Amino acid sequence: DSGVTQTPKHLITATGQRVTLRCSPRSGDLSVYWYQQSLDQGLQFLIQYYNGEERAKGNILERFSAQQFPDLHSELNLSSLELGDSALYFCASSVGGSTETQYFGPGTRLLVL
Amino acid sequence: QQQVKQSPQSLIVQKGGISIINCAYENTAFDYFPWYQQFPGKGPALLIAIRPDVSEKKEGRFTISFNKSAKQFSLHIMDSQPGDSATYFCAATSSGDYKLSFGAGTTVTVRA
Repeated sequence: DSGVTQTPKHLITATGQRVTLRCSPRSGDLSVYWYQQSLDQGLQFLIQYYNGEERAKGNILERFSAQQFPDLHSELNLSSLELGDSALYFCASSVGGSTETQYFGPGTRLLVL
Repeated sequence: QQQVKQSPQSLIVQKGGISIINCAYENTAFDYFPWYQQFPGKGPALLIAIRPDVSEKKEGRFTISFNKSAKQFSLHIMDSQPGDSATYFCAATSSGDYKLSFGAGTTVTVRA
């Protein structure tokens, strides 16, 4: 158990819908990262927050957004969902702003029908 | 484009054998190279990591070999056990960067 929690574990929704994925980092970790894992693209970095501020953006679509709240939990919002958005979404956390030693949560499996 | 190239895509090894996974990178700014292990239905877990100032790092049955001039690094799993059956990802990042660039992953199957 990494200490990173993610909810929900599974999510089934329809195209065009909007969903919110939630992540709680390990106690004491200030950085939260979001990754998407799909069969064809592998593990892709989406976005990082450090202590409430956006620090880096990766291959995140404009339909996706994220935020980190004062209690350091983070939410990833996915809107206007398409079939191709079906994937595993992982949250990871680390102590500081560096990417070293990221601890991954168990993931949220999203299925868009 | 994939910044870290990983091979093979999959491998099968007998119990007690050696598993070898190779990764190559182009970005010379990369200075931290972790390996992650992922079991089905779980998130990736950090296995072992290396910095380019050393050529080898060993933790138990897992060893990273690093060749800075060739921009390659590899994971060796010695005395492979059925419990090692998982997908292994190499990754790379640089100081001041804020993301890990992952290889495509290698699925290792250890036959008893």
